[in-house]
Amino acid sequence: KAGVTQTPRYLIKTRGQQVTLSCSPISGHRSVSWYQQTPGQGLQFLFEYFSETQRNKGNFPGRFSGRQFSNSRSEMNVSTLELGDSALYLCASSLDPGVGSPLHFGNGTRLTVT
Amino acid sequence: GENVEQHPSTLSVQEGDSAVIKCTYSDSASNYFPWYKQELGKRPQLIIDIRSNVGEKKDQRIAVTLNKTAKHFSLHITETQPEDSAVYFCAAEPIYGGSQGNLIFGKGTKLSVKP
Repeated sequence: KAGVTQTPRYLIKTRGQQVTLSCSPISGHRSVSWYQQTPGQGLQFLFEYFSETQRNKGNFPGRFSGRQFSNSRSEMNVSTLELGDSALYLCASSLDPGVGSPLHFGNGTRLTVT
Repeated sequence: GENVEQHPSTLSVQEGDSAVIKCTYSDSASNYFPWYKQELGKRPQLIIDIRSNVGEKKDQRIAVTLNKTAKHFSLHITETQPEDSAVYFCAAEPIYGGSQGNLIFGKGTKLSVKP
């Protein structure tokens, strides 16, 4: 079974631009979560989607948004990019919508904002 | 909200020794505690997890213990090998209306195993 796939692997953007990242979950997984990983802050939760609905959202500004499609694929968007948005963005999927379902991470998208 | 603290931030051991990483959490309602291993340039991978109705879980050289009263849990790696070198993250899952996928991570422990 294919793992979680994220595209693109690398992105370089300029301040003020916007970016869209894509995530395809493991086949059959209906929950998709997004995390931001930086050396200083570690792994921070962005949001989680299930059945095209955002169920949880972390403490990030409104510039960060996402959505999930009917096939469970998900995208996240960051508008008006800032230098501090440079990070590894990780997508994770899980099978069971109940609490305590293991998350499976993708390889991430490395975003650099200049 | 939930807060997870992880110690130590770096840990160096000799091959064959044991390694212990400790985490504390703040929300007594959290009931799922996974551990992830992240090798350099790679994705975090789940290595073991424990639920609050269990005090200890083992998988070959890896074990996790949970003390709900004290709100802390630990990862134990025995007979360490160089390939165990990586960053290890603990996490706790708070309960918000039964939702999931909202893991709160510790800051990570960089484990180095010297041959």
